[in-house]
Amino acid sequence: SQTIHQWPATLVQPVGSPLSLECTVEGTSNPNLYWYRQAAGRGLQLLFYSVGIGQISSEVPQNLSASRPQDRQFILSSKKLLLSDSGFYLCASYRLTGQKNYGYTFGSGTRLTVV
Amino acid sequence: TQLLEQSPQFLSIQEGENLTVYCNSSSVFSSLQWYRQEPGEGPVLLVTVVTGGEVKKLKRLTFQFGDARKDSSLHITAAQPGDTGLYLCAGIPHFNKFYFGSGTKLNVKP
Repeated sequence: SQTIHQWPATLVQPVGSPLSLECTVEGTSNPNLYWYRQAAGRGLQLLFYSVGIGQISSEVPQNLSASRPQDRQFILSSKKLLLSDSGFYLCASYRLTGQKNYGYTFGSGTRLTVV
Repeated sequence: TQLLEQSPQFLSIQEGENLTVYCNSSSVFSSLQWYRQEPGEGPVLLVTVVTGGEVKKLKRLTFQFGDARKDSSLHITAAQPGDTGLYLCAGIPHFNKFYFGSGTKLNVKP
């Protein structure tokens, strides 16, 4: 089974500072990887997804970026954080084998507070 | 705009009551999933439905996919405090991308 490692668990950063959140996957190869952001107690907003190394699709224009330097590594970055970047960030891996849809496996999330 | 609308947004009930959560869209989905999330954690997959009209049961939870594959419902029988959490539906209108509903926050009081 897949395991998603996501760190840090919580982060407090000043406005204008850079950001780097890292996500690594175990237990599978060539997964589809996703970054989501969640407002308190609400649904998830898809930010980026990747179907392979170096392949990034952006869903929402913003000051965030994503990179996939290795098959099982997905990084969310920003050069200058805004207050509106605060939220709960989740990394997810998706596996589909034949007709079997295993759904997402999520990391435990990073609570980012921009002050 | 939200691709998937969930209702109700909030639900507070007593232990032992029944409840139904709805997930609706104007789009057709190849499959739809339900997740449960606890505070500070990532969502955990409960079920996947892929066939229009499909019904799946998971102990006291019953999931149904609409005939036209545009909507789904989650029914919980005899709710327990352990059912408390945020329930999210998620669908795939396009290959590789899931879109999540707005969520239903359930609180079951003992």
